[in-house]
Amino acid sequence: GENVEQHPSTLSVQEGDSAVIKCTYSDSASNYFPWYKQELGKGPQLIIDIRSNVGEKKDQRIAVTLNKTAKHFSLHITETQPEDSAVYFCAARYNFNKFYFGSGTKLNVKP
Amino acid sequence: NAGVTQTPKFQVLKTGQSMTLQCAQDMNHEYMSWYRQDPGMGLRLIHYSVGAGITDQGEVPNGYNVSRSTTEDFPLRLLSAAPSQTSVYFCASRQDGGNTIYFGEGSWLTVV
Repeated sequence: GENVEQHPSTLSVQEGDSAVIKCTYSDSASNYFPWYKQELGKGPQLIIDIRSNVGEKKDQRIAVTLNKTAKHFSLHITETQPEDSAVYFCAARYNFNKFYFGSGTKLNVKP
Repeated sequence: NAGVTQTPKFQVLKTGQSMTLQCAQDMNHEYMSWYRQDPGMGLRLIHYSVGAGITDQGEVPNGYNVSRSTTEDFPLRLLSAAPSQTSVYFCASRQDGGNTIYFGEGSWLTVV
């Protein structure tokens, strides 16, 4: 199977600063890497994703990068705002039906 | 626009009791799954289904049972609850051929 490791487990930044969360995966057969945001008391929601044939993808203040050779991918949030405070999960799709999630990063954006 | 609906939201069980977590989706998604979320462990797949009548095991299936008699419903049964099953449970669905997983709002289960 797949193993996804995520770092850091907690991240505290000042409003307006950037935040970076990193994940590594173990199986080169994984081909799709989504990021989910979980607000308090809610289920996770997809915020951005990247396929294995793409190196970088941006959507306004968030971006994801993928290094297939090193088997790692990262989430970048620029100009952080208090509403970005949440738990973020990375994931890797190992086969079409199984997604393996990282352990989560609690992001705290201080006003 | 309901999406994925889970019930109950909170439940306390005694060790050895059985119960069923209900999950329903109104998006006509073929794929449904159950995850558990524990501190420092992320989301771990318990069981999943690719369509009515078809189920398969995920990473942590022991102690849980599922069935999929309709496209809409995917209940999770705890056969004999143990304190190790204290967790937050999420039901999720995905369109056949799609990538986005839609999660329910979670069910908080405590086994004492």
